[in-house]
Amino acid sequence: GQNIDQPTEMTATEGAIVQINCTYQTSGFNGLFWYQQHAGEAPTFLSYNVLDGLEEKGRFSSFLSRSKGYSYLLLKELQMKDSASYLCALPSNSGYALNFGKGTSLLVTP
Amino acid sequence: DTGVSQNPRHKITKRGQNVTFRCDPISEHNRLYWYRQTLGQGPEFLTYFQNEAQLEKSRLLSDRFSAERPKGSFSTLEIQRTEQGDSAMYLCASSQGQGPDTQYFGPGTRLTVL
Repeated sequence: GQNIDQPTEMTATEGAIVQINCTYQTSGFNGLFWYQQHAGEAPTFLSYNVLDGLEEKGRFSSFLSRSKGYSYLLLKELQMKDSASYLCALPSNSGYALNFGKGTSLLVTP
Repeated sequence: DTGVSQNPRHKITKRGQNVTFRCDPISEHNRLYWYRQTLGQGPEFLTYFQNEAQLEKSRLLSDRFSAERPKGSFSTLEIQRTEQGDSAMYLCASSQGQGPDTQYFGPGTRLTVL
C-alpha cells in the first residue's frame, strides 16, 4: 500500500516564501505529483517529479528525495490568490490511478 | 482546446433514488478516471478506463456504483439507491500517454443526498 502525509494547514504572509512538505511510503515509486485546488474547484496540475532534485516553474518549485520519501512544494512571492489546498499524489502501483494525500490548506494573509 | 466537462454541476436527491453523472474528457485523451472527494480530504480513486475498457476499480466502488464509457468517449457514473454517505464531489479526470501521466480534472459534480 501507500501512505502520504502532509500538514493540514499553513498560514503565510503575502510576498513571503512558504514550503509545503509531503512525506510518503510506497512499495513502488512512479513519480510524485503536486496539484493545487481552490475551494469548490477542480484540482489543477502543478508539477511532476520522478528524479531527485529541484524543478523550478516560475514562482513554484518542487523538490524530491526518493531515498528519504520526501517532497516539498516551494511557493515564492506569495499572492492572495495562492490561498488554496495543495495536494501531494502518488501514482498507484498499477501506475494509473492517483493516490492523494489529504492536502495542505494554505492561507495567505495581507 | 476545451477541458474536461462534467454535468450536472450540482445534484440534490433523496435517499434511495438513482443518479447519473456524465463526464466528457479532453478529446484526444484515451484514459478517463473517476474520483470522489469529501470535505477536507483529497480525491479518492473510484475507477479507470482506457478507451472503452474499465481496467481498474477501487474497493470503494460498491455494487451500487456502475460506470461506463461506451465508444471510448464520454463516461457516465451511476449510483443506485443513494445513501447519505454518498454525498460528495464526484470528479472526473482524463489523460493520455504511457505510464503515469498528468491527469486533468473536470469541475466536478456535487451530490447531496437528503
